[in-house]
Amino acid sequence: NAGVTQTPKFQVLKTGQSMTLQCAQDMNHNSMYWYRQDPGMGLRLIYYSASEGTTDKGEVPNGYNVSRLNKREFSLRLESAAPSQTSVYFCASRGATHNEQFFGPGTRLTVL
Amino acid sequence: AQTVTQSQPEMSVQEAETVTLSCTYDTSESDYYLFWYKQPPSRQMILVIRQEAYKQQNATENRFSVNFQKAAKSFSLKISDSQLGDAAMYFCAYRMLLSNFGNEKLTFGTGTRLTIIP
Repeated sequence: NAGVTQTPKFQVLKTGQSMTLQCAQDMNHNSMYWYRQDPGMGLRLIYYSASEGTTDKGEVPNGYNVSRLNKREFSLRLESAAPSQTSVYFCASRGATHNEQFFGPGTRLTVL
Repeated sequence: AQTVTQSQPEMSVQEAETVTLSCTYDTSESDYYLFWYKQPPSRQMILVIRQEAYKQQNATENRFSVNFQKAAKSFSLKISDSQLGDAAMYFCAYRMLLSNFGNEKLTFGTGTRLTIIP
């Protein structure tokens, strides 16, 4: 069991560039989440997906889009990156019988 | 809106001693979950302990225990026999149920950086 995996681990973008952060889980979980973590703050929810085919906005969705490709994969896309999106991004998943979310290792994104 | 407050940005403790990290939260719900997550320098978020609000008994996991005071909306983490490997950022989190399909979001505090002094 790899748990929750994220690619890439690090990325540097220029303002205006686009990119997709990939997340996959092998625990057969229904729910998946994208968070961002900024210095001095806890994690904040960007988008979530309660099941395959559904996505919903979280606390800070502006500037992002997501795709729940299948039960395993949940991607986060930045269409036109801005310096304010410099952050560490975490993907998480949760199964129906679990009370906790399982986190991936994170992606450190820098937008210049 | 639910909020989680960690008022101690940094704490330090001597190895083998005991330390308590504070967390308070605000909610109008009666049933919820609270969590402590650890984030070492590797950046990985690791669940330390969880507490169901309907349980009066405080949760315990080996050297980690909580003091859950529901009326005071307080949820502190006690680490006994501190070890060098306990050095990390510790986040308190509140589980809020979202409106659809029983899904949830975690609301996090701003974290406490714990240093272990050898």
